[in-house]
Amino acid sequence: SAVISQKPSRDICQRGTSLTIQCQVDSQVTMMFWYRQQPGQSLTLIATANQGSEATYESGFVIDKFPISRPNLTFSTLTVSNMSPEDSSIYLCSVVPQPNTEAFFGQGTRLTVV
Amino acid sequence: AQTVTQSQPEMSVQEAETVTLSCTYDTSESDYYLFWYKQPPSRQMILVIRQEAYKQQNATENRFSVNFQKAAKSFSLKISDSQLGDAAMYFCAYRSGQSNYQLIWGAGTKLIIKP
Repeated sequence: SAVISQKPSRDICQRGTSLTIQCQVDSQVTMMFWYRQQPGQSLTLIATANQGSEATYESGFVIDKFPISRPNLTFSTLTVSNMSPEDSSIYLCSVVPQPNTEAFFGQGTRLTVV
Repeated sequence: AQTVTQSQPEMSVQEAETVTLSCTYDTSESDYYLFWYKQPPSRQMILVIRQEAYKQQNATENRFSVNFQKAAKSFSLKISDSQLGDAAMYFCAYRSGQSNYQLIWGAGTKLIIKP
């Protein structure tokens, strides 16, 4: 299993600013995933973050807007840059510790951009 | 590409009754995993139950069980003796048995429990 601490749990930010979301895992994991979720909707994968390499971004998401840091096997950050109200959403980090295990999730960050 | 379909945006059930949430998926792979996750208003995504495709026996976890029909590519979730705490969004998810670990998500079903 894995326990993930995600911070902040919520924030209200001014447009044009940036917010960095942190995820700390209690065990070493190879792959970490960052999702965006509109309230009441499903999860959309932003990127996959491997330690020691560049993150792999899904279609519609770019590194300049969502830079990701993965300095070691237990920690990652996602930055939402130059925010606009359209970035208001829930952001979730997730890990899969072993090939035959389920995914574990952080508590989510509710971001509101005003 | 794999897809996951949840055709019920919302379901309601009387407390203590049984409800079934439907999920169908499309894949050409033979090795994969299927999951049901619960997301209450707290936003914390919680695993409800998992099924390995190679296992013929349907998974069961206390009041939660699945009806896994591999040929029909169907993976429904049955909740027995529904409780108020079961109220949440329920997501069906698929993961390939290959190494990319990515999940393919359904749109979700909002479950309402009537007291």
